[in-house]
Amino acid sequence: EVQLVESGGGLVKPGRTLRLSCTTSGFTFGDYAMSWFRQAPGKGLEWVGFIRSKAYGGTTENAASVKGRFTISRDDSKSIVYLQMNSLKTDDTAVYYCSRGGWSPGFWGQGTLVTVSP
Amino acid sequence: QTVVTQEPSLTVSPGGTVTLTCASSTGAVTSDYYPNWFQQKPGQAPRALIYSASNRHSWTPARFSGSLLGGKAALTLSGVQPEDEAEYYCLLFYGGAQGVFGGGTKLTVL
Repeated sequence: EVQLVESGGGLVKPGRTLRLSCTTSGFTFGDYAMSWFRQAPGKGLEWVGFIRSKAYGGTTENAASVKGRFTISRDDSKSIVYLQMNSLKTDDTAVYYCSRGGWSPGFWGQGTLVTVSP
Repeated sequence: QTVVTQEPSLTVSPGGTVTLTCASSTGAVTSDYYPNWFQQKPGQAPRALIYSASNRHSWTPARFSGSLLGGKAALTLSGVQPEDEAEYYCLLFYGGAQGVFGGGTKLTVL
């Protein structure tokens, strides 16, 4: 059974950093691109970015709204994808979801809440 | 600033058929945009329904179908069930690198 579990969310002050993890199981992690999304309270979905599999270079793409502040990485030996979030702003407050796939995100986790507040 | 536009809300009767659309401010939506559709119910994580315009995921009921229609991506629900009441989002990829969601369509089954 495919499972994705996000962790690492919480309350953080503006300007600080946070690293989210997405721990996966039930599939060959290294074969897939992995994506991050977010949803601010009461708002729609926002694409954050994805990381390709090593077979496709392991390169990343990020939304303009987070470029230069957020970094996606992966550890294929642990089947985990990370979202490193620096210089956090109040606008980054959201539930963050990870998903298997890049252009065709399929399985999703249940999300982790990040609250950025003074 | 690229904008992806969906109908804000639609209403359909149980057993009926409804089509949701997804338009791009840059012009016609093609398969090069890898159109995806997602369903989200209150308090739940999104669930993927369609990828690459017309491909169902293994868990997607057959009453959901995706297509490209008149320069837009489209999601058609046939034989709508009460449990299909939800918010539906489309996702397009630009240059294979930048994903942009539409604002979502609130589907009411009434």
